[in-house]
Amino acid sequence: GNSVTQMEGPVTLSEEAFLTINCTYTATGYPSLFWYVQYPGEGLQLLLKATKADDKGSNKGFEATYRKETTSFHLEKGSVQVSDSAVYFCALSRTGNQFYFGTGTSLTVIP
Amino acid sequence: EAQVTQNPRYLITVTGKKLTVTCSQNMNHEYMSWYRQDPGLGLRQIYYSMNVEVTDKGDVPEGYKVSRKEKRNFPLILESPSPNQTSLYFCASSFAGPNTEAFFGQGTRLTVV
Repeated sequence: GNSVTQMEGPVTLSEEAFLTINCTYTATGYPSLFWYVQYPGEGLQLLLKATKADDKGSNKGFEATYRKETTSFHLEKGSVQVSDSAVYFCALSRTGNQFYFGTGTSLTVIP
Repeated sequence: EAQVTQNPRYLITVTGKKLTVTCSQNMNHEYMSWYRQDPGLGLRQIYYSMNVEVTDKGDVPEGYKVSRKEKRNFPLILESPSPNQTSLYFCASSFAGPNTEAFFGQGTRLTVV
């Protein structure tokens, strides 16, 4: 079946620290992979995506590389800001009409 | 502005009282879905629709109904709500195809007492 496992939170970092949130997946076939971000009181917004092996998605300083050999899509950012505080979800989709989400990782960045 | 609109944002109801949560999108998307978000479980799909009059069950469909009579609307119906349906609900839409992203509404916080 299809599933996503992401690292448990919460994660607390100081401003300008390096961020990694681990995500691994199980899927039949070749899914597209996504990172979504949820700010307090809001819906999910797409942060970045990758549609095939070795693709790197990037946006707002965040990056993630689709690693087929390790079935991973880890999210990284070199220097986090207070405004990055949010919940981050890793997700996969094979068909575009069904998305499978991880449990979410809450990030708090302190000044 | 391209968006997915859900109503209401907050709802408190009693067990057994039928309710409907509306969802509308203005992006002419073929696909629409409903998810529920619960602590420690992430988002789980309730129902999805690939086009008008085409709906199918997701991973947690029990206790819910949907309909897709128009392309832009996809209401979620709880015929007899129970406390275990207390959750945060999200509607999402996307273009047809395997690599498309989903666009989400703002969410509906439902409490069943």
